[in-house]
Amino acid sequence: EAGVAQSPRYKIIEKRQSVAFWCNPISGHATLYWYQQILGQGPKLLIQFQNNGVVDDSQLPKDRFSAERLKGVDSTLKIQPAKLEDSAVYLCASSLDQSSGNTIYFGEGSWLTVV
Amino acid sequence: AQSVTQLGSHVSVSEGALVLLRCNYSSSVPPYLFWYVQYPNQGLQLLLKYTTGATLVKGINGFEAEFKKSETSFHLTKPSAHMSDAAEYFCAVSGKSGGTSYGKLTFGQGTILTVHP
Repeated sequence: EAGVAQSPRYKIIEKRQSVAFWCNPISGHATLYWYQQILGQGPKLLIQFQNNGVVDDSQLPKDRFSAERLKGVDSTLKIQPAKLEDSAVYLCASSLDQSSGNTIYFGEGSWLTVV
Repeated sequence: AQSVTQLGSHVSVSEGALVLLRCNYSSSVPPYLFWYVQYPNQGLQLLLKYTTGATLVKGINGFEAEFKKSETSFHLTKPSAHMSDAAEYFCAVSGKSGGTSYGKLTFGQGTILTVHP
């Protein structure tokens, strides 16, 4: 079974530039998550989708971050304009549905450095 | 609201020694508890999880954890450390809260495990 796919793996941009990350979840998984992991910290949820609807985006900095999952399958996370503090690993994850206790599977992450 | 505290950001053990990584949680609803491992430059891999039933949970690579409700703890153990266990370990909690946002994980800050020969 294929895992969660993410691209690009690594990206270096200058502050105020834009960047987009793509995620393809495990086939059949209705719930998709984007987490931000800053060096030395645990991952923090940015946004959670159930199919193509947003369930939770309370910690998404909406002035600069946006995400979509138009057809309920793959998803894109965009940052515009980027700030230095956005340097982090962006982890995409998926699960069968949003029931508590379901295993959440993570991709390998997209590493962003803002200079 | 839910939260997780991992005691000790770094733990160092000798190969063959007991591994004990501590995790305490706070949750206003019955929690589901998870341990994930992260190797350098990789994503998170599930080691084990507690949902319901037996409070002693066995996972992959010889790890196990015990859910203790009275202590609000979910410590991770392994009887004998191996060099390949060196990684960062994250404890996480999920659970239905206020009817929304259930399923999402709230993570601790992580514990880096170093194994010495």
